[in-house]
Amino acid sequence: EDQVTQSPEALRLQEGESSSLNCSYTVSGLRGLFWYRQDPGKGPEFLFTLYSAGEEKEKERLKATLTKKESFLHITAPKPEDSATYLCAVQASGGYQKVTFGIGTKLQVIP
Amino acid sequence: DGGITQSPKYLFRKEGQNVTLSCEQNLNHDAMYWYRQDPGQGLRLIYYSQIVNDFQKGDIAEGYSVSREKKESFPLTVTSAQKNPTAFYLCASSIDGRGDRRTQYFGPGTRLLVL
Repeated sequence: EDQVTQSPEALRLQEGESSSLNCSYTVSGLRGLFWYRQDPGKGPEFLFTLYSAGEEKEKERLKATLTKKESFLHITAPKPEDSATYLCAVQASGGYQKVTFGIGTKLQVIP
Repeated sequence: DGGITQSPKYLFRKEGQNVTLSCEQNLNHDAMYWYRQDPGQGLRLIYYSQIVNDFQKGDIAEGYSVSREKKESFPLTVTSAQKNPTAFYLCASSIDGRGDRRTQYFGPGTRLLVL
C-alpha cells in the first residue's frame, strides 16, 4: 500500500528563519510527487510536481527536491504570509494512477 | 479566469436527507475527482471520473453517488446511507491522467455539517 508521511506535524519559525519540511514515501512505482499549500478553510493550492530523483523546482522562497525515498520543501527566509499547511502527495504507476496524500505540516511564521 | 468552483461553501444536512454538492470547472480538463478531508487525516478519494459518462469508486465511496453528464460538471450526492458525513469536501480536476497532465487542481471546498 502506498504511504506518505510528513514531518514535522507542526513547525513554528521566526520570520527569516529558514527550514525544511520532509515528505517520506513508499509507492509502487512513482509517477509524480506533488506539493500543495492549504490555507484554513480553503482548497489546496498547487505548488510543484516532481517526477524523478534529483529533480528540483523553485518558486519564490520555496524549493522542492526529490530523492528515491523522500522529498523536502525548503523555505528560505520565510515571511508570515507563508504560514499554511503544506501537503505532500504521490502518484503511483499503473491503472488509475491513484494519488495518496500525507496529513500535512502546519507551518506558522512569527513576525 | 479559468478555475474550479464549488457550491455551496457551507451545507447543512438533516438526518435522512440527501444533499448534493456542486463542482464546475472551465479548465477543459477531462478528469475530475472528489475528496473528503477530515482533521488528522490525509485527503481520501471518494469518486473519480476520467471522461464524460464514466466514473469509478475511490477508497470511500459508500454512501456517496456521482454523475458526469457534462465535461465541466461533476456533482456529488451525499446520501442518507453516509452515517458520518461531516467533513470538508474537495473537488479537483486534471487535464487527464498522463504525464505532466496529471497534476490535480482543487476547488475552494464545501464544508458539510449535520444538524
